[in-house]
Amino acid sequence: DQQVKQNSPSLSVQEGRISILNCDYTNSMFDYFLWYKKYPAEGPTFLISISSIKDKNEDGRFTVFLNKSAKHLSLHIVPSQPGDSAVYFCAALVSGSARQLTFGSGTQLTVLP
Amino acid sequence: DVKVTQSSRYLVKRTGEKVFLECVQDMDHENMFWYRQDPGLGLRLIYFSYDVKMKEKGDIPEGYSVSREKKERFSLILESASTNQTSMYLCASSLLDRGGGYTFGSGTRLTVV
Repeated sequence: DQQVKQNSPSLSVQEGRISILNCDYTNSMFDYFLWYKKYPAEGPTFLISISSIKDKNEDGRFTVFLNKSAKHLSLHIVPSQPGDSAVYFCAALVSGSARQLTFGSGTQLTVLP
Repeated sequence: DVKVTQSSRYLVKRTGEKVFLECVQDMDHENMFWYRQDPGLGLRLIYFSYDVKMKEKGDIPEGYSVSREKKERFSLILESASTNQTSMYLCASSLLDRGGGYTFGSGTRLTVV
């Protein structure tokens, strides 16, 4: 049973436009959410996070939105750049646990020049 | 620059062999993790450890064991490699009290023939 779901395995966007990556979760105990980016042949790198006490967190071109009632979060990238092409993983955490993240299956983002 | 180092980028092993995957971190992190990444399945947790000589099973521990004799080193052991263990293996570490914030290694691509 996947507790964190990314239902879109792939997304293509034109350079300069907005990329929106979606993530749903089922475990209401999750209270901290993260996005990781992964290039081929490299490990994932941390991108942005949000605590459940917030509904938005912004860092440059990246914004994460959290809708707790819908158990849904999204990552917005504006404007999208070709270097953003990567696999994006959504992850969730229960604070106070042994700190193991639960990951989604990932979305391959391709930004077309 | 802080690092998580995995000893091999690529490995090819035969069915039935005992395989050791090594991971070393230089950040004095308490937590260490082993994940495997498979297409469409995302990152799945195999084992984790939050202290020396401590280990906990993740979501898919079958066929694997781990060893943590020193804080900086976490080894994943495939007792008798099988073809369904062909995968990308990712090691990560984190601080005990940090919400999320994993640092990943570059991964080991293991092929079992």
